[in-house]
Amino acid sequence: EPEVTQTPSHQVTQMGQEVILRCVPISNHLYFYWYRQILGQKVEFLVSFYNNEISEKSEIFDDQFSVERPDGSNFTLKIRSTKLEDSAMYFCASSEAWASGGTQSTDTQYFGPGTRLTVL
Amino acid sequence: AQSVSQHNHHVILSEAASLELGCNYSYGGTVNLFWYVQYPGQHLQLLLKYFSGDPLVKGIKGFEAEFIKSKFSFNLRKPSVQWSDTAEYFCAVSPPNRDDKIIFGKGTRLHILP
Repeated sequence: EPEVTQTPSHQVTQMGQEVILRCVPISNHLYFYWYRQILGQKVEFLVSFYNNEISEKSEIFDDQFSVERPDGSNFTLKIRSTKLEDSAMYFCASSEAWASGGTQSTDTQYFGPGTRLTVL
Repeated sequence: AQSVSQHNHHVILSEAASLELGCNYSYGGTVNLFWYVQYPGQHLQLLLKYFSGDPLVKGIKGFEAEFIKSKFSFNLRKPSVQWSDTAEYFCAVSPPNRDDKIIFGKGTRLHILP
């Protein structure tokens, strides 16, 4: 079964450094998402992306964050200048359609295994 | 604030016990509802979802959930749990007119005793 993959599995960085988290969505999916989960807290929506544009972003997704689909397979999340509070598990997800678009079988968001980001 | 609330943070059951995990949401209007599960060391996986139609939704692995609109609830149930159901369970909602994001609850950690 196709899977969303993420690299690296664990990233350690110094405060103020830039990090790029990488995701390879499922190949026929068109909609991409980033979520994060701070330790002990809930999974939080960051951003959704379709047709090379951000569709929706949360309050968390400030100017320090950016997303890009640099080629036909990768979807990246960049944090320009990391802060201690950016330490979290970052999940990428992809879907064929929005949650209620298309048929029931095409709208599920499939999640990757996550990248644990530790900011020192 | 609009949110998704899960009533229990940690549930411990014996095998064959019945399970009900509570979920309430505070969004008005038409929402899409989900339960996701995360087994230890694995990805978040969709258990089941409700968009419209029959409010009793059946998912994978014998799970079901009932949407009760008047109570803004979407509780997850399983009549007889197994040790392999040990996992963290997340209720989630796509807010009205925002199908492109999912708002998660804090999760319920379920531990099944063999």
